[in-house]
Amino acid sequence: GEDVEQSLFLSVREGDSSVINCTYTDSSSTYLYWYKQEPGAGLQLLTYIFSNMDMKQDQRLTVLLNKKDKHLSLRIADTQTGDSAIYFCAERNSNYQLIWGAGTKLIIKP
Amino acid sequence: EAGVTQSPTHLIKTRGQQATLRCSPISGHTSVYWYQQALGLGLQFLLWYDEGEERNRGNFPPRFSGRQFPNYSSELNVNALELEDSALYLCASSRGTVSSGANVLTFGAGSRLTVL
Repeated sequence: GEDVEQSLFLSVREGDSSVINCTYTDSSSTYLYWYKQEPGAGLQLLTYIFSNMDMKQDQRLTVLLNKKDKHLSLRIADTQTGDSAIYFCAERNSNYQLIWGAGTKLIIKP
Repeated sequence: EAGVTQSPTHLIKTRGQQATLRCSPISGHTSVYWYQQALGLGLQFLLWYDEGEERNRGNFPPRFSGRQFPNYSSELNVNALELEDSALYLCASSRGTVSSGANVLTFGAGSRLTVL
């Protein structure tokens, strides 16, 4: 079946770049999303990318999509303490269903 | 524009009782999704409603049920509560499957259910 995988944890130093990776199995993905969840809160959309694009940049965020390898990444430049959160990757298949990764907890070291 | 609102924020029940959670989508959104997030775990898909119909259901027992009202708000009911039902229940809304584009989900802040 369809699957989305992410590493559970990522630890980076404040000021460095964070790169959160995601792999998926469904070749019929139409859109891929990154959501952020802060402690005790709901999920907030960060960005999304259409499957025929390979890069999207939005301020400190850069999304890279390698459709051949079914690999999606989110780069956060100049990581700040406010970026501490769980980051979820999701892909939307041709049946309009969202398949979610388990989330990557980003830990910022001072 | 008001976001997705969920109520109650917190709910404490005992085993065997029933819980009802409510969700109001963003105005203009016709699809409502329910997810369960147990502590430290990812999102588990529960239910998806669109235009008043149940479109898809996750791998949960029948004691998890819901409905969508004509104004597109939704209710999630959990019967015969068990300890492992303790979780954050998240509702999200979107413009619906017929819309083109990214059809982004907007999430509410969640309802935390504690079963004692």
